[in-house]
Amino acid sequence: DAGVIQSPRHEVTEMGQEVTLRCKPISGHDYLFWYRQTMMRGLELLIYFNNNVPIDDSGMPEDRFSAKMPNASFSTLKIQPSEPRDSAVYFCASSLGRGSQYFGPGTRLTVL
Amino acid sequence: SQQGEEDPQALSIQEGENATMNCSYKTSINNLQWYRQNSGRGLVHLILIRSNEREKHSGRLRVTLDTSKKSSSLLITASRAADTASYFCATDAAGAQKLVFGQGTRLTINP
Repeated sequence: DAGVIQSPRHEVTEMGQEVTLRCKPISGHDYLFWYRQTMMRGLELLIYFNNNVPIDDSGMPEDRFSAKMPNASFSTLKIQPSEPRDSAVYFCASSLGRGSQYFGPGTRLTVL
Repeated sequence: SQQGEEDPQALSIQEGENATMNCSYKTSINNLQWYRQNSGRGLVHLILIRSNEREKHSGRLRVTLDTSKKSSSLLITASRAADTASYFCATDAAGAQKLVFGQGTRLTINP
């Protein structure tokens, strides 16, 4: 298996633009997680899905952030409009049940 | 707020020495996990210890869990330069699937 796949790996955009991050979880995994990592706040859970259904989005910073999982093999995290403080590394992870989580390589987002 | 807190924040040792990192948490848990993150990469799962377990081994890794003290330790024996990375503990609040990560310990192994 190729592991969790994220795209793009790097994204540079200007303030106010829409940003879409993509994730393909490991086949067969029923949980998908979106995290954000910054030096100041460390690794924060934004939202997670179980069987494509959002379970907990309490970590989503504000309405500018939205996430979808239209099917078991694809999820998106969208930021609209983006702001410089959104600059971070965004990770997607998946797991099978309550087991260990498998992380993707991350998307490094820079908002100018 | 952080559930797991690692200690120390940074650790620098010589190759071949043992490295010990500690993690404290606040609430009841189902399990505690340790992850490693190499610079610029995603996190990699190392080991999971359940709340009813006290010690677990995996290769050069040894994890202990003391639920009465709400703490865990990760021991890496005979360290190698390739062990240089940040190490995170993660806990799940009882009844929840989501993990809460600590700030991590940055381990440097000097050749």
